[in-house]
Amino acid sequence: QSALTQPASVSGSPGQSITISCTGTSSDVGGYNYVSWYQQHPGKAPKLMIYEVSNRPSGVSNRFSGSKSGNTASLTISGLQAEDEADYYCSSYTSSSSVVFGGGTKLTVL
Amino acid sequence: EVQLVESGGGLVQPGGSLRLSCAASGFTFSSYSMNWVRQAPGKGLEWVSYISSSSSTIYYADSVKGRFTISRDNAKNSLYLQMNSLRAEDTAVYYCARDFGLGRGNFDYWGQGTLVTVSS
Repeated sequence: QSALTQPASVSGSPGQSITISCTGTSSDVGGYNYVSWYQQHPGKAPKLMIYEVSNRPSGVSNRFSGSKSGNTASLTISGLQAEDEADYYCSSYTSSSSVVFGGGTKLTVL
Repeated sequence: EVQLVESGGGLVQPGGSLRLSCAASGFTFSSYSMNWVRQAPGKGLEWVSYISSSSSTIYYADSVKGRFTISRDNAKNSLYLQMNSLRAEDTAVYYCARDFGLGRGNFDYWGQGTLVTVSS
Protein backbone atom coordinates (compact mmCIF):
# COMPACT_ATOMS: atom_id res chain seq x y z
CA GLN A 1 0.00 0.00 0.00
CA SER A 2 1.61 3.27 -1.11
CA ALA A 3 1.58 6.26 1.19
CA LEU A 4 -0.96 8.98 0.55
CA THR A 5 0.44 12.09 -1.16
CA GLN A 6 0.72 15.32 0.82
CA PRO A 7 2.68 18.49 0.06
CA ALA A 8 5.96 18.52 1.96
CA SER A 9 5.36 21.99 3.32
CA VAL A 10 2.86 24.81 3.48
CA SER A 11 3.03 28.19 5.13
CA GLY A 12 0.81 31.06 6.07
CA SER A 13 0.70 34.21 8.15
CA PRO A 14 -1.20 34.54 11.42
CA GLY A 15 -4.91 35.01 10.78
CA GLN A 16 -4.78 33.53 7.30
CA SER A 17 -6.25 30.21 6.14
CA ILE A 18 -4.32 27.32 4.66
CA THR A 19 -5.34 24.03 3.11
CA ILE A 20 -3.37 20.78 3.10
CA SER A 21 -4.28 18.19 0.48
CA CYS A 22 -4.07 14.42 0.77
CA THR A 23 -4.33 12.38 -2.41
CA GLY A 24 -4.92 8.67 -2.57
CA THR A 25 -6.78 6.25 -4.78
CA SER A 26 -10.21 4.69 -5.08
CA SER A 27 -8.92 1.89 -2.83
CA ASP A 28 -8.43 4.20 0.12
CA VAL A 29 -9.38 7.90 0.26
CA GLY A 30 -11.86 7.70 -2.60
CA GLY A 31 -13.48 4.50 -1.46
CA TYR A 32 -14.25 5.22 2.18
CA ASN A 33 -15.24 8.09 4.43
CA TYR A 34 -12.54 7.09 6.89
CA VAL A 35 -9.99 9.85 6.47
CA SER A 36 -8.34 11.24 9.60
CA TRP A 37 -5.94 14.11 10.19
CA TYR A 38 -3.28 14.27 12.93
CA GLN A 39 -1.18 17.12 14.28
CA GLN A 40 2.28 16.38 15.62
CA HIS A 41 4.53 18.83 17.39
CA PRO A 42 8.26 18.01 17.58
CA GLY A 43 9.00 15.26 20.04
CA LYS A 44 5.34 14.70 20.83
CA ALA A 45 2.80 12.03 19.99
CA PRO A 46 0.31 12.69 17.19
CA LYS A 47 -3.04 14.25 18.11
CA LEU A 48 -6.29 13.48 16.30
CA MET A 49 -7.73 16.64 14.73
CA ILE A 50 -10.31 15.32 12.25
CA TYR A 51 -11.88 11.89 11.82
CA GLU A 52 -14.20 10.38 9.21
CA VAL A 53 -13.39 13.18 6.76
CA SER A 54 -14.97 16.10 8.56
CA ASN A 55 -15.68 15.32 12.21
CA ARG A 56 -13.85 17.13 15.01
CA PRO A 57 -13.14 15.35 18.29
CA SER A 58 -14.22 17.11 21.44
CA GLY A 59 -11.76 19.82 22.38
CA VAL A 60 -10.39 20.48 18.89
CA SER A 61 -10.82 24.05 17.73
CA ASN A 62 -13.47 24.73 15.09
CA ARG A 63 -10.72 26.49 13.13
CA PHE A 64 -9.87 23.01 11.86
CA SER A 65 -12.12 21.51 9.19
CA GLY A 66 -11.94 18.60 6.77
CA SER A 67 -13.47 17.69 3.45
CA LYS A 68 -13.11 15.22 0.61
CA SER A 69 -13.67 15.19 -3.13
CA GLY A 70 -13.00 12.04 -5.09
CA ASN A 71 -9.60 10.64 -4.19
CA THR A 72 -8.40 13.83 -2.46
CA ALA A 73 -9.07 14.88 1.11
CA SER A 74 -8.26 18.30 2.52
CA LEU A 75 -7.58 19.85 5.90
CA THR A 76 -8.26 23.57 6.25
CA ILE A 77 -7.00 25.65 9.15
CA SER A 78 -8.54 29.09 9.41
CA GLY A 79 -7.33 31.99 11.54
CA LEU A 80 -3.80 30.60 11.68
CA GLN A 81 -2.10 30.83 15.06
CA ALA A 82 1.53 30.36 16.03
CA GLU A 83 0.61 27.21 17.97
CA ASP A 84 -0.65 25.59 14.75
CA GLU A 85 2.92 25.26 13.51
CA ALA A 86 3.47 21.49 13.41
CA ASP A 87 3.55 18.47 11.14
CA TYR A 88 0.20 17.25 9.83
CA TYR A 89 -0.56 13.74 8.64
CA CYS A 90 -3.60 12.36 6.88
CA SER A 91 -4.60 8.71 7.06
CA SER A 92 -7.18 6.52 5.38
CA TYR A 93 -8.70 3.12 5.79
CA THR A 94 -7.97 0.89 2.79
CA SER A 95 -9.57 -1.96 0.87
CA SER A 96 -6.93 -4.26 2.39
CA SER A 97 -8.32 -3.60 5.89
CA SER A 98 -5.20 -1.62 6.68
CA VAL A 99 -4.54 2.03 7.42
CA VAL A 100 -2.24 4.13 5.27
CA PHE A 101 -0.74 7.49 6.25
CA GLY A 102 0.37 10.39 4.14
CA GLY A 103 3.99 11.45 4.07
CA GLY A 104 3.28 14.46 6.27
CA THR A 105 3.16 18.22 5.73
CA LYS A 106 5.20 20.72 7.70
CA LEU A 107 3.14 23.83 8.45
CA THR A 108 5.11 27.00 9.05
CA VAL A 109 3.38 30.04 10.53
CA LEU A 110 5.29 33.03 9.20
CA GLU B 1 -7.91 10.37 32.17
CA VAL B 2 -6.95 8.06 29.32
CA GLN B 3 -3.31 7.00 29.49
CA LEU B 4 -1.24 4.75 27.26
CA VAL B 5 2.31 4.01 28.35
CA GLU B 6 4.66 2.05 26.09
CA SER B 7 7.74 0.21 27.30
CA GLY B 8 10.22 -2.39 26.13
CA GLY B 9 12.14 -0.44 23.52
CA GLY B 10 15.90 -0.46 23.28
CA LEU B 11 18.92 -1.38 21.20
CA VAL B 12 18.85 -4.77 19.50
CA GLN B 13 21.05 -6.39 16.87
CA PRO B 14 19.75 -7.22 13.38
CA GLY B 15 17.95 -10.55 13.49
CA GLY B 16 17.13 -10.13 17.15
CA SER B 17 13.83 -9.94 18.99
CA LEU B 18 12.07 -7.46 21.24
CA ARG B 19 8.69 -7.35 22.96
CA LEU B 20 6.92 -4.04 23.39
CA SER B 21 4.18 -3.44 25.93
CA CYS B 22 1.51 -0.77 26.23
CA ALA B 23 -0.20 -0.28 29.59
CA ALA B 24 -3.65 1.28 29.33
CA SER B 25 -5.62 3.10 32.02
CA GLY B 26 -8.51 5.52 32.36
CA PHE B 27 -10.91 3.66 30.07
CA THR B 28 -12.47 0.24 29.58
CA PHE B 29 -9.59 -1.36 27.69
CA SER B 30 -11.57 -4.46 26.73
CA SER B 31 -14.06 -2.35 24.76
CA TYR B 32 -11.59 -0.83 22.33
CA SER B 33 -9.54 -1.99 19.37
CA MET B 34 -5.88 -1.07 19.52
CA ASN B 35 -3.07 -0.41 17.07
CA TRP B 36 0.68 -0.03 16.83
CA VAL B 37 2.02 2.82 14.69
CA ARG B 38 5.70 3.57 14.18
CA GLN B 39 7.78 6.54 13.10
CA ALA B 40 11.35 6.20 11.85
CA PRO B 41 13.69 9.02 12.92
CA GLY B 42 12.84 12.15 10.94
CA LYS B 43 10.22 10.29 8.89
CA GLY B 44 6.44 10.00 8.73
CA LEU B 45 3.96 7.75 10.47
CA GLU B 46 3.53 4.12 9.42
CA TRP B 47 0.69 1.91 10.61
CA VAL B 48 2.01 -1.45 11.86
CA SER B 49 -0.79 -3.60 13.25
CA TYR B 50 -4.39 -3.74 14.50
CA ILE B 51 -6.14 -5.97 17.05
CA SER B 52 -9.84 -5.97 17.82
CA SER B 53 -11.19 -5.70 21.35
CA SER B 54 -11.59 -9.47 21.71
CA SER B 55 -8.45 -10.35 19.71
CA SER B 56 -10.65 -12.06 17.12
CA THR B 57 -9.43 -9.86 14.27
CA ILE B 58 -5.80 -8.99 13.63
CA TYR B 59 -4.16 -7.19 10.72
CA TYR B 60 -0.54 -6.38 9.87
CA ALA B 61 1.26 -4.10 7.47
CA ASP B 62 3.01 -6.02 4.69
CA SER B 63 6.36 -4.71 5.95
CA VAL B 64 6.05 -6.65 9.24
CA LYS B 65 3.81 -9.57 8.32
CA GLY B 66 5.34 -12.87 9.42
CA ARG B 67 7.84 -11.18 11.76
CA PHE B 68 5.67 -9.22 14.23
CA THR B 69 2.83 -10.52 16.40
CA ILE B 70 0.28 -8.29 18.11
CA SER B 71 -1.59 -9.51 21.19
CA ARG B 72 -3.46 -8.17 24.19
CA ASP B 73 -4.42 -9.19 27.72
CA ASN B 74 -7.68 -7.51 28.66
CA ALA B 75 -7.38 -8.71 32.26
CA LYS B 76 -4.10 -6.79 32.54
CA ASN B 77 -5.19 -3.82 30.39
CA SER B 78 -2.16 -4.38 28.23
CA LEU B 79 -1.25 -4.48 24.54
CA TYR B 80 1.86 -6.18 23.20
CA LEU B 81 3.98 -6.34 20.07
CA GLN B 82 6.39 -9.23 19.68
CA MET B 83 9.01 -8.29 17.11
CA ASN B 84 11.24 -11.00 15.63
CA SER B 85 13.84 -11.02 12.85
CA LEU B 86 14.38 -7.32 13.33
CA ARG B 87 15.96 -5.27 10.56
CA ALA B 88 17.63 -1.88 10.46
CA GLU B 89 14.53 -0.47 8.77
CA ASP B 90 12.45 -1.37 11.84
CA THR B 91 14.28 1.36 13.78
CA ALA B 92 11.56 3.75 14.91
CA VAL B 93 9.54 5.15 17.75
CA TYR B 94 6.65 2.75 18.31
CA TYR B 95 3.34 4.19 19.48
CA CYS B 96 0.29 2.34 20.72
CA ALA B 97 -2.96 4.04 19.76
CA ARG B 98 -6.57 3.53 20.81
CA ASP B 99 -8.98 2.96 17.94
CA PHE B 100 -12.60 4.06 18.33
CA GLY B 101 -13.42 3.35 14.71
CA LEU B 102 -13.37 -0.46 14.76
CA GLY B 103 -10.25 -0.67 12.65
CA ARG B 104 -11.08 2.20 10.36
CA GLY B 105 -8.18 4.35 11.52
CA ASN B 106 -9.72 6.67 14.12
CA PHE B 107 -6.85 6.84 16.61
CA ASP B 108 -8.02 9.14 19.39
CA TYR B 109 -5.39 8.51 22.07
CA TRP B 110 -1.68 7.78 21.64
CA GLY B 111 1.08 6.85 24.03
CA GLN B 112 4.34 8.78 24.25
CA GLY B 113 6.18 6.12 22.25
CA THR B 114 9.12 3.81 22.86
CA LEU B 115 12.26 3.87 20.72
CA VAL B 116 13.49 0.71 19.05
CA THR B 117 16.96 0.84 17.52
CA VAL B 118 18.15 -2.05 15.36
CA SER B 119 21.88 -1.85 14.88
CA SER B 120 25.03 -3.90 15.26
